[in-house]
Amino acid sequence: KAGVTQTPRYLIKTRGQQVTLSCSPISGHRSVSWYQQTPGQGLQFLFEYFSETQRNKGNFPGRFSGRQFSNSRSEMNVSTLELGDSALYLCASSLGDRLQNTEAFFGQGTRLTVV
Amino acid sequence: GESVGLHLPTLSVQEGDNSIINCAYSNSASDYFIWYKQESGKGPQFIIDIRSNMDKRQGQRVTVLLNKTVKHLSLQIAATQPGDSAVYFCADSSGSARQLTFGSGTQLTVLP
Repeated sequence: KAGVTQTPRYLIKTRGQQVTLSCSPISGHRSVSWYQQTPGQGLQFLFEYFSETQRNKGNFPGRFSGRQFSNSRSEMNVSTLELGDSALYLCASSLGDRLQNTEAFFGQGTRLTVV
Repeated sequence: GESVGLHLPTLSVQEGDNSIINCAYSNSASDYFIWYKQESGKGPQFIIDIRSNMDKRQGQRVTVLLNKTVKHLSLQIAATQPGDSAVYFCADSSGSARQLTFGSGTQLTVLP
């Protein structure tokens, strides 16, 4: 079956602009998590959505937001872009409906460059 | 805050040898651990996971060992191949927390 799909793969934006990234999870997976990956900070958790509700949020400013649709697809938005937002943004999907965590599978990521 | 850390940033092994990648975690409440492999330009690829009620779990050419006493996790790769060259991350989570805390990664290089 198809894996996690993230679009677009690459983006170049200017400081001050906003950007929206999209993630389609594996069919049947209802949990979508977002991570930011940078050389300096590594992989850091942004937020997690399940059944259109944000269940968990990492330590990122309010400029970072997300949402999930009824078909489990998710988007994340970054407003007022800063140079430091340049990163690989990764989406992970998992079943999400168990009490315990289960395998999380990542997409290829969206490479965002802010100039 | 607490985080998962890795002992070595780089590891070089001869093709055909076994590789061992280590990871230390500090959150005593962590009960679920995953190893990922990330190749250049790609997203992390799930390798194997283990829960805290287990000490060892085996997959295809890979074994994960968990030592809860010293909060140590390791990934063993048997008969390492050139295609195994990548950055390997360990990650953990606790309880029903729906987030993974990642280590900084180990770059594995397989020498011909």
